Amino acid sequence: GENVEQHPSTLSVQEGDSAVIKCTYSDSASNYFPWYKQELGKRPQLIIDIRSNVGEKKDQRIAVTLNKTAKHFSLHITETQPEDSAVYFCAASTGGFKTIFGAGTRLFVKA
Amino acid sequence: NAGVTQTPKFRVLKTGQSMTLLCAQDMNHEYMYWYRQDPGMGLRLIHYSVGEGTTAKGEVPDGYNVSRLKKQNFLLGLESAAPSQTSVYFCASSPSGGDIQYFGAGTRLSVL
Repeated sequence: GENVEQHPSTLSVQEGDSAVIKCTYSDSASNYFPWYKQELGKRPQLIIDIRSNVGEKKDQRIAVTLNKTAKHFSLHITETQPEDSAVYFCAASTGGFKTIFGAGTRLFVKA
Repeated sequence: NAGVTQTPKFRVLKTGQSMTLLCAQDMNHEYMYWYRQDPGMGLRLIHYSVGEGTTAKGEVPDGYNVSRLKKQNFLLGLESAAPSQTSVYFCASSPSGGDIQYFGAGTRLSVL
């Protein structure tokens, strides 16, 4: 069945460095790619999303890139801060009810 | 503006007991979802609804039932709880498919 693979499962960076999380999806009909951040004990919340007609989207320190040909998309966080420490989930949707989530990346930002 | 509200927040059940988790949203969203979150496995869809009076199975529906009698409410039932259903359950809603999902705060369920 359809799946979304996310790497790495754990990422540790020094404060101020950049962090990159990569995802690969299998369903070529996917056209919506959200990223959610989940702090410890909290609910997942959307931080950025991209649709298939766009190759890159940026919001302050966060950017997402999409390569539809390779079925890859990535989250880039620049100038990381301790409050960026959380679990990040990528997801892929075909536009209907189905959104497939990656297994998550636990990001640690060391002060 | 409450968004998506889940009750209860925590629950401990014995094997074989039943319970209902309630999800309520005040954003007039058509789509509602129930997910379970287990360590290292992300969010897996249990059941979903695309409108009042409609429900459908997701990826892991066995052992669960749902109902959506009112647009704003989506109920998840466990008829006979099993230890394998120990998990954190999240409800979510979205205005349509392929759109931002807004999550509730989660219900931590332990089945002994």
